[in-house]
Amino acid sequence: EVQLVESGGGLVQPGRSLRLSCAASGFRFDDYAMHWVRQAPGKGLEWVSGISWNNINIGYADSVKGRFIISRDNAKNSLYLQMTSLRAEDTALYYCAKDLYGSTSCLDYWGQGTLVTVSS
Amino acid sequence: EIVLTQSPATLSLSPGERATLSCRASQGVSSYIAWYQQKPGQAPRLLMYDASNRATGIPARFSGSGPGTDFTLTISSLEPEDFAVYYCQERSSRHTLTFGGGTKVEIK
Repeated sequence: EVQLVESGGGLVQPGRSLRLSCAASGFRFDDYAMHWVRQAPGKGLEWVSGISWNNINIGYADSVKGRFIISRDNAKNSLYLQMTSLRAEDTALYYCAKDLYGSTSCLDYWGQGTLVTVSS
Repeated sequence: EIVLTQSPATLSLSPGERATLSCRASQGVSSYIAWYQQKPGQAPRLLMYDASNRATGIPARFSGSGPGTDFTLTISSLEPEDFAVYYCQERSSRHTLTFGGGTKVEIK
Protein backbone atom coordinates (compact mmCIF):
# COMPACT_ATOMS: atom_id res chain seq x y z
CA GLU A 1 0.00 0.00 0.00
CA VAL A 2 1.35 3.40 -1.01
CA GLN A 3 1.72 5.76 1.92
CA LEU A 4 2.88 9.37 1.94
CA VAL A 5 3.22 11.04 5.32
CA GLU A 6 4.02 14.73 5.51
CA SER A 7 5.51 16.48 8.51
CA GLY A 8 7.14 19.73 9.48
CA GLY A 9 4.24 22.14 9.21
CA GLY A 10 3.32 24.65 11.86
CA LEU A 11 2.98 28.30 12.73
CA VAL A 12 5.83 30.49 11.52
CA GLN A 13 6.39 34.23 11.37
CA PRO A 14 6.64 36.06 8.04
CA GLY A 15 10.18 36.06 6.68
CA ARG A 16 11.17 32.89 8.53
CA SER A 17 11.94 29.43 7.17
CA LEU A 18 10.41 25.99 7.47
CA ARG A 19 11.32 22.57 6.14
CA LEU A 20 8.67 20.06 5.17
CA SER A 21 9.32 16.34 4.89
CA CYS A 22 7.44 13.51 3.25
CA ALA A 23 8.11 9.87 4.15
CA ALA A 24 7.15 7.47 1.37
CA SER A 25 6.49 3.75 1.54
CA GLY A 26 4.77 0.98 -0.39
CA PHE A 27 6.41 1.65 -3.75
CA ARG A 28 9.84 1.93 -5.31
CA PHE A 29 10.50 5.58 -4.44
CA ASP A 30 13.46 6.09 -6.78
CA ASP A 31 11.37 5.17 -9.84
CA TYR A 32 8.96 8.09 -9.61
CA ALA A 33 8.87 11.85 -9.70
CA MET A 34 7.49 13.54 -6.60
CA HIS A 35 5.70 16.82 -6.03
CA TRP A 36 4.43 19.32 -3.49
CA VAL A 37 0.96 20.78 -3.99
CA ARG A 38 -0.69 23.28 -1.67
CA GLN A 39 -4.22 24.37 -0.93
CA ALA A 40 -4.99 27.58 0.88
CA PRO A 41 -8.04 27.44 3.19
CA GLY A 42 -11.20 27.31 1.10
CA LYS A 43 -9.26 27.62 -2.17
CA GLY A 44 -8.22 25.41 -5.05
CA LEU A 45 -5.13 23.36 -5.68
CA GLU A 46 -1.81 25.02 -6.50
CA TRP A 47 1.16 23.01 -7.68
CA VAL A 48 4.29 24.17 -5.84
CA SER A 49 7.23 22.09 -7.05
CA GLY A 50 8.23 18.78 -8.55
CA ILE A 51 11.37 16.69 -8.89
CA SER A 52 12.11 13.80 -11.23
CA TRP A 53 13.20 10.40 -10.03
CA ASN A 54 16.87 11.17 -10.66
CA ASN A 55 16.94 14.78 -9.36
CA ILE A 56 17.69 16.09 -12.86
CA ASN A 57 14.40 17.76 -13.72
CA ILE A 58 13.07 20.21 -11.14
CA GLY A 59 10.29 22.74 -11.51
CA TYR A 60 8.79 25.46 -9.36
CA ALA A 61 5.68 27.58 -9.49
CA ASP A 62 6.47 31.22 -10.18
CA SER A 63 4.98 32.12 -6.79
CA VAL A 64 7.72 30.22 -4.92
CA LYS A 65 10.66 30.37 -7.32
CA GLY A 66 13.78 31.61 -5.57
CA ARG A 67 12.30 31.01 -2.10
CA PHE A 68 11.54 27.27 -1.99
CA ILE A 69 13.86 24.37 -2.74
CA ILE A 70 12.69 20.83 -3.37
CA SER A 71 14.95 17.85 -2.79
CA ARG A 72 14.76 14.13 -2.31
CA ASP A 73 16.82 11.41 -0.67
CA ASN A 74 16.17 8.16 -2.50
CA ALA A 75 18.12 6.19 0.09
CA LYS A 76 15.70 7.40 2.78
CA ASN A 77 12.54 7.30 0.62
CA SER A 78 11.99 10.92 1.53
CA LEU A 79 10.97 14.17 -0.15
CA TYR A 80 11.66 17.62 1.25
CA LEU A 81 10.63 21.21 0.73
CA GLN A 82 12.82 23.93 2.18
CA MET A 83 10.76 27.09 2.42
CA THR A 84 12.40 30.46 3.07
CA SER A 85 11.21 34.07 3.20
CA LEU A 86 7.74 32.84 4.02
CA ARG A 87 4.79 35.12 3.37
CA ALA A 88 1.21 35.18 4.61
CA GLU A 89 0.08 33.96 1.19
CA ASP A 90 2.10 30.76 1.69
CA THR A 91 -0.41 29.72 4.35
CA ALA A 92 -1.89 26.45 3.13
CA LEU A 93 -2.18 22.73 3.54
CA TYR A 94 0.86 21.25 1.80
CA TYR A 95 0.42 17.87 0.13
CA CYS A 96 3.16 15.51 -0.92
CA ALA A 97 2.17 13.60 -4.06
CA LYS A 98 3.63 10.78 -6.12
CA ASP A 99 3.82 11.10 -9.89
CA LEU A 100 2.42 8.43 -12.14
CA TYR A 101 5.77 8.34 -13.94
CA GLY A 102 9.45 9.10 -13.41
CA SER A 103 9.11 12.65 -14.67
CA THR A 104 6.37 15.25 -14.44
CA SER A 105 2.95 14.05 -15.54
CA CYS A 106 0.13 13.64 -13.01
CA LEU A 107 -0.32 12.66 -9.39
CA ASP A 108 -1.68 9.24 -8.51
CA TYR A 109 -1.15 9.17 -4.76
CA TRP A 110 -1.39 11.96 -2.21
CA GLY A 111 -0.61 12.32 1.47
CA GLN A 112 -3.04 13.89 3.91
CA GLY A 113 -1.09 17.12 4.08
CA THR A 114 0.71 19.25 6.64
CA LEU A 115 -0.59 22.69 7.54
CA VAL A 116 1.67 25.72 7.26
CA THR A 117 0.45 28.95 8.80
CA VAL A 118 2.46 32.11 8.23
CA SER A 119 1.44 34.79 10.68
CA SER A 120 2.95 37.18 13.18
CA GLU B 1 2.29 29.98 -19.10
CA ILE B 2 -0.75 27.82 -19.70
CA VAL B 3 -3.98 28.78 -17.97
CA LEU B 4 -6.73 26.21 -17.44
CA THR B 5 -10.27 27.55 -17.17
CA GLN B 6 -12.88 25.23 -15.76
CA SER B 7 -16.59 25.70 -16.29
CA PRO B 8 -19.06 25.92 -14.85
CA ALA B 9 -17.83 26.91 -11.41
CA THR B 10 -20.78 25.06 -9.88
CA LEU B 11 -22.96 22.36 -11.37
CA SER B 12 -26.24 21.56 -9.60
CA LEU B 13 -27.57 18.15 -10.55
CA SER B 14 -29.57 15.27 -9.12
CA PRO B 15 -28.34 11.69 -8.61
CA GLY B 16 -28.71 9.72 -11.82
CA GLU B 17 -28.18 12.75 -14.04
CA ARG B 18 -25.29 13.19 -16.44
CA ALA B 19 -22.53 15.66 -15.52
CA THR B 20 -20.37 17.36 -18.12
CA LEU B 21 -17.40 19.36 -16.85
CA SER B 22 -15.25 21.51 -19.10
CA CYS B 23 -11.57 22.44 -18.95
CA ARG B 24 -10.23 24.88 -21.52
CA ALA B 25 -6.51 25.45 -21.99
CA SER B 26 -5.12 28.82 -23.10
CA GLN B 27 -2.94 26.95 -25.59
CA GLY B 28 -2.69 23.42 -26.91
CA VAL B 29 -1.62 20.85 -24.33
CA SER B 30 -1.87 17.76 -26.53
CA SER B 31 -3.47 15.03 -24.38
CA TYR B 32 -1.63 15.82 -21.18
CA ILE B 33 -4.68 16.54 -19.09
CA ALA B 34 -5.57 14.83 -15.82
CA TRP B 35 -8.70 15.10 -13.70
CA TYR B 36 -9.02 14.85 -9.92
CA GLN B 37 -11.87 14.57 -7.48
CA GLN B 38 -11.70 16.14 -4.03
CA LYS B 39 -14.19 15.70 -1.23
CA PRO B 40 -14.27 17.91 1.87
CA GLY B 41 -11.46 17.11 4.29
CA GLN B 42 -9.82 14.67 1.90
CA ALA B 43 -6.83 14.73 -0.39
CA PRO B 44 -7.53 14.82 -4.12
CA ARG B 45 -7.91 11.54 -6.00
CA LEU B 46 -6.71 10.95 -9.54
CA LEU B 47 -9.60 10.07 -11.87
CA MET B 48 -8.27 10.38 -15.42
CA TYR B 49 -4.88 10.86 -17.03
CA ASP B 50 -3.78 11.62 -20.57
CA ALA B 51 -7.30 12.99 -21.11
CA SER B 52 -9.14 9.71 -21.50
CA ASN B 53 -7.46 7.01 -19.40
CA ARG B 54 -9.16 6.02 -16.16
CA ALA B 55 -6.88 5.70 -13.15
CA THR B 56 -6.79 2.50 -11.16
CA GLY B 57 -10.10 1.69 -9.49
CA ILE B 58 -12.09 4.48 -11.13
CA PRO B 59 -15.59 3.39 -12.19
CA ALA B 60 -16.56 3.27 -15.86
CA ARG B 61 -19.17 6.01 -15.39
CA PHE B 62 -16.25 8.46 -15.49
CA SER B 63 -14.89 9.30 -18.94
CA GLY B 64 -12.70 12.00 -20.41
CA SER B 65 -12.14 13.50 -23.83
CA GLY B 66 -9.57 15.68 -25.59
CA PRO B 67 -6.98 16.46 -27.01
CA GLY B 68 -6.28 20.03 -28.02
CA THR B 69 -7.49 22.93 -25.94
CA ASP B 70 -10.99 21.81 -24.87
CA PHE B 71 -11.29 18.87 -22.53
CA THR B 72 -14.33 17.29 -20.93
CA LEU B 73 -14.91 15.05 -17.94
CA THR B 74 -18.23 13.24 -18.11
CA ILE B 75 -19.95 11.37 -15.32
CA SER B 76 -22.62 9.33 -17.08
CA SER B 77 -24.96 8.88 -14.12
CA LEU B 78 -24.20 10.63 -10.85
CA GLU B 79 -23.93 8.52 -7.74
CA PRO B 80 -24.28 10.12 -4.27
CA GLU B 81 -20.53 9.78 -3.71
CA ASP B 82 -19.73 11.77 -6.86
CA PHE B 83 -20.78 15.11 -5.40
CA ALA B 84 -17.43 16.81 -4.91
CA VAL B 85 -15.03 19.34 -6.44
CA TYR B 86 -13.26 18.38 -9.66
CA TYR B 87 -9.98 19.81 -10.92
CA CYS B 88 -8.23 19.47 -14.25
CA GLN B 89 -4.44 19.61 -14.50
CA GLU B 90 -1.91 19.85 -17.30
CA ARG B 91 1.78 19.23 -17.52
CA SER B 92 4.13 21.41 -19.46
CA SER B 93 7.42 20.70 -21.15
CA ARG B 94 9.14 22.84 -18.50
CA HIS B 95 8.52 20.27 -15.78
CA THR B 96 5.68 22.22 -14.24
CA LEU B 97 2.05 21.42 -13.54
CA THR B 98 -0.97 23.69 -13.64
CA PHE B 99 -4.36 23.14 -12.06
CA GLY B 100 -7.66 24.62 -13.14
CA GLY B 101 -9.80 26.51 -10.67
CA GLY B 102 -12.20 23.63 -10.06
CA THR B 103 -15.87 22.77 -10.63
CA LYS B 104 -18.09 21.95 -7.70
CA VAL B 105 -20.73 19.33 -8.44
CA GLU B 106 -23.50 19.80 -5.88
CA ILE B 107 -26.80 18.11 -5.20
CA LYS B 108 -29.74 19.95 -6.68
